[in-house]
Amino acid sequence: RKEVEQDPGPFNVPEGATVAFNCTYSNSASQSFFWYRQDCRKEPKLLMSVYSSGNEDGRFTAQLNRASQYISLLIRDSKLSDSATYLCVVTSPSGGSYIPTFGRGTSLIVHP
Amino acid sequence: EAQVTQNPRYLITVTGKKLTVTCSQNMNHEYMSWYRQDPGLGLRQIYYSMNVEVTDKGDVPEGYKVSRKEKRNFPLILESPSPNQTSLYFCASAKGAGMTYEQYFGPGTRLTVT
Repeated sequence: RKEVEQDPGPFNVPEGATVAFNCTYSNSASQSFFWYRQDCRKEPKLLMSVYSSGNEDGRFTAQLNRASQYISLLIRDSKLSDSATYLCVVTSPSGGSYIPTFGRGTSLIVHP
Repeated sequence: EAQVTQNPRYLITVTGKKLTVTCSQNMNHEYMSWYRQDPGLGLRQIYYSMNVEVTDKGDVPEGYKVSRKEKRNFPLILESPSPNQTSLYFCASAKGAGMTYEQYFGPGTRLTVT
């Protein structure tokens, strides 16, 4: 079983729609969680961190469910510019430090 | 400007010809890492470094070498490239290897081995 799993999509939604992605992780000792955004083979960039209490940044809401071992990303009022691949990152303890593991990404296409 | 730079951005080479991809960061970050990204496989870590002279294998280290002689530089070395190393490579750095540190990525190096 892969450590971090995401539905690759693509999720094809109209402008203005609400869309949600999940990401499951297998290591119960995982400590921190992130969502990155990657545009068409460019470098990934941090979208938001995911806190235990959940967090919101404008149209984006991230949540963590430790009991079921998944994180989610909700995008409200989708814009054309939201079209990208969204990467889930889970950081787990390893040899005294913390190593990030990336999911394979979920592709989002927002159409007019 | 805070950034991670990689060179070259594009490289076409032949099997067996040694090559080095450079990576440099100007943020005084302790943690640096190399990833390769292939269609359907996502980002896979090749090697990482917690600090100068400290390097460790990631998920796919075979066929690669790294060194960390200075804090700012983390070159990736392919001693004898093969076609299965054709990929998009990203270097990344972070303030540390702690739980909450954001990784900053370089622009990527697209490598083709024929």
